[in-house]
Amino acid sequence: NAGVTQTPKFQVLKTGQSMTLQCAQDMNHNSMYWYRQDPGMGLRLIYYSASEGTTDKGEVPNGYNVSRLNKREFSLRLESAAPSQTSVYFCASRNRGNTEAFFGQGTRLTVV
Amino acid sequence: RKEVEQDPGPFNVPEGATVAFNCTYSNSASQSFFWYRQDCRKEPKLLMSVYSSGNEDGRFTAQLNRASQYISLLIRDSKLSDSATYLCVVRLYNFNKFYFGSGTKLNVKP
Repeated sequence: NAGVTQTPKFQVLKTGQSMTLQCAQDMNHNSMYWYRQDPGMGLRLIYYSASEGTTDKGEVPNGYNVSRLNKREFSLRLESAAPSQTSVYFCASRNRGNTEAFFGQGTRLTVV
Repeated sequence: RKEVEQDPGPFNVPEGATVAFNCTYSNSASQSFFWYRQDCRKEPKLLMSVYSSGNEDGRFTAQLNRASQYISLLIRDSKLSDSATYLCVVRLYNFNKFYFGSGTKLNVKP
């Protein structure tokens, strides 16, 4: 089973460039999440989607937009990348109830 | 104040040692609790859920103290392969968000 798949795995952007991080899950999960992980900061929630057609802000949404394209896919867009957005980005999904979240392998983004 | 706080470590222990990590959470409405393991440059993966009565999975024991708002993880008979960062995670009641601690790094030495 593929689980949660993120693309790309690595990316280098110049300041001001835009890009979209893609995430897809094949577990028929309702909820999907985007996190960023920085050294010493743990994982911080950027946006989440409780179900198809809904999205909500997390702890650090500024500079990002998301789209829940369908139940499987949840994309994260950086409209104008900044060096402060250099991070590792993780997508996750889970089902309803007290279930755990499953993570993709991450995207390592560097903004120069 | 952070929702979830952990000692970052590192904890350096010899093989066979017993080691314990604690984690505190700030919101009493927290409902679900988990320990995740994260290897270097990899994604977090569930180690175990934490239940109110405490639970054990092989060499790993998790405890929850709601009155003091902390969670613990005990690892017995440490293996080299236990070397990783352990993340404490909580989910608030009726919310769809998970809050992660910054992780505790464990190094098990031969």
